[in-house]
Amino acid sequence: QTVVTQEPSLTVSPGGTVTLTCAFSTGSVTSSFYPNWFQQKPGQAPRPLIYSTSKKHSWTPARFSGSLLGGKAALTLSRVQPEDEAEYYCLLYYGGTRVFGTGTKVTVL
Amino acid sequence: QVQLQESGPGLVKPSETLSLTCTVSGYAISSGYYWGWIRQPPGKGLEWIGSMHHRGETYYNPSLRSRVAISVDTSKNQFSLTLSSVTAADTAMYYCARDVPGMDYYYMDVWGKGTTVTVSS
Repeated sequence: QTVVTQEPSLTVSPGGTVTLTCAFSTGSVTSSFYPNWFQQKPGQAPRPLIYSTSKKHSWTPARFSGSLLGGKAALTLSRVQPEDEAEYYCLLYYGGTRVFGTGTKVTVL
Repeated sequence: QVQLQESGPGLVKPSETLSLTCTVSGYAISSGYYWGWIRQPPGKGLEWIGSMHHRGETYYNPSLRSRVAISVDTSKNQFSLTLSSVTAADTAMYYCARDVPGMDYYYMDVWGKGTTVTVSS
């Protein structure tokens, strides 16, 4: 069974930088997986942030950026704000199917 | 502005069939794109259930394929999910979303607020 793994939790200080990763169980993540990233706060629907590795939606703050890093998809949060505290999920597309990552809880402390 | 709204029973008995509908406003389903369902059990992560193009091409999560069906009603601008033989493990928040394919991009850009489904006798 295909599994997409993320760090369970990360902590970052306000104003700092943190990078989340998204790993594919059967190999490297490439741009052909069109990695997406979502932010989810308690009681809310997921909010799209990044698509196709590094493209931003019109509403995505500039401090969020996506990339490929060491065979994984990555989401970097720069100049972190308290409101960035949330769960973050990646999504990979392959062979017609879609798979969400396990999620990363980001705490701003 | 495109909006999606899920609707359906909040309580389903074990072994019965779960049926949900997503009503789309601000965009005609018949114009294109895929339309998908995603769920999230309490306190757990997101799980993609399946996505369907208005012309009928459908992709399902392999782990749910034997129990799931997605259909589209372009006359009502709605798409639906049925999940058969439900168990307590199917208790979750169910979301619908617009699933957009392109030449060099794929994304889910518009989501409904979600509807809670509990499986219990």
